[in-house]
Amino acid sequence: AAGVIQSPRHLIKEKRETATLKCYPIPRHDTVYWYQQGPGQDPQFLISFYEKMQSDKGSIPDRFSAQQFSDYHSELNMSSLELGDSALYFCASSLAGQGPSNTEAFFGQGTRLTVV
Amino acid sequence: AQSVTQPDIHITVSEGASLELRCNYSYGATPYLFWYVQSPGQGLQLLLKYFSGDTLVQGIKGFEAEFKRSQSSFNLRKPSVHWSDAAEYFCAVGPIDSWGKLQFGAGTQVVVTP
Repeated sequence: AAGVIQSPRHLIKEKRETATLKCYPIPRHDTVYWYQQGPGQDPQFLISFYEKMQSDKGSIPDRFSAQQFSDYHSELNMSSLELGDSALYFCASSLAGQGPSNTEAFFGQGTRLTVV
Repeated sequence: AQSVTQPDIHITVSEGASLELRCNYSYGATPYLFWYVQSPGQGLQLLLKYFSGDTLVQGIKGFEAEFKRSQSSFNLRKPSVHWSDAAEYFCAVGPIDSWGKLQFGAGTQVVVTP
């Protein structure tokens, strides 16, 4: 079965550079969530989109922005990168309107961003 | 404010022995509770979830969890662990209105010895 695809899997950037992370949800899923997991930390919710509109916002820095496109894939844009942005970035997708007992959020394998 | 506490950062268990991972939560309303497993370099995989009904929930890979409202706990158990169960386990709580906006615990690293 198709899963959530994230690209790239690994990314190395220098401080003050920009990075773009991509997420391709499971086909027919209309909702995408982004999480950031720092080294030895639990995942922290950043932002989510439903039907191409931002649906919720967590602890996302102002230097980051994200959007969901017409094909439901999402991109997380990160500017002025800092060393502390080094983390594993997860994307998850789900299908809204199914009720909690009939659905779940499926996570991708993540993009490991290293800022040097 | 919602929060999840996993008191055990690290647990070592022998293969074939039983395993119990503790999770306590603080939430203002009826919580949706989850257990995820993360193998090294991998994404998060849902083991089981609780929304309502029977407080003993069966999941994949032989795991089960019990919701105890009076203790605000959602402990994960497995009767007999396999070497492949070595991983990090996260308990999470989520709101009814935003399924993917999960608050995770700090995680418990499980090591399985021969």
